[in-house]
Amino acid sequence: DGGITQSPKYLFRKEGQNVTLSCEQNLNHDAMYWYRQDPGQGLRLIYYSQIVNDFQKGDIAEGYSVSREKKESFPLTVTSAQKNPTAFYLCASSIGTSGRSHNEQFFGPGTRLTVL
Amino acid sequence: AQSVTQLDSHVSVSEGTPVLLRCNYSSSYSPSLFWYVQHPNKGLQLLLKYTSAATLVKGINGFEAEFKKSETSFHLTKPSAHMSDAAEYFCVVREPRQFYFGTGTSLTVIP
Repeated sequence: DGGITQSPKYLFRKEGQNVTLSCEQNLNHDAMYWYRQDPGQGLRLIYYSQIVNDFQKGDIAEGYSVSREKKESFPLTVTSAQKNPTAFYLCASSIGTSGRSHNEQFFGPGTRLTVL
Repeated sequence: AQSVTQLDSHVSVSEGTPVLLRCNYSSSYSPSLFWYVQHPNKGLQLLLKYTSAATLVKGINGFEAEFKKSETSFHLTKPSAHMSDAAEYFCVVREPRQFYFGTGTSLTVIP
């Protein structure tokens, strides 16, 4: 059964702690993405990766870090430098972003992070 | 510059009446366009996509959208709303390296 999994579904963090959100896909997609969603807003891009061992900052990368050591995994770390991390985090993947591809993104179920 | 504008942040319809969710875009390329649906606390699910093959695109659950290049629009429609259609809807444009999202339209269906 192919798809994207995110864990945990709910995550609570104390101020000053780093936390890591997991994202795994078995779709054999090259590109992976992390988005942040706040109430009443659209999705904002945090980081994206087009290939293993390479990633680029999105629009709101400050206070976040990522790694892409394996094609199927793209974990996101929310560091203590992120001042307002409470949000819904969505991971996505797509076949690729090069050329004139028309391929869509596939999304995971999301992780809701709350800072206590 | 690329952008996606969803013209209504909230839309309310009665069950059984038509749905219209409006989206305008700007793009430096010949874009790929998508509509996604999101139910509360869930990920996004693809409803349909435009990839230049046909201007009228049919999607899942009875939704369809028409690409109008002259109006730079990609409005989402459904002839008859169902209670299960109540959700957040996002219009998305793809350019070679990134996807750009509208801010979403919240659809309420009144019984």
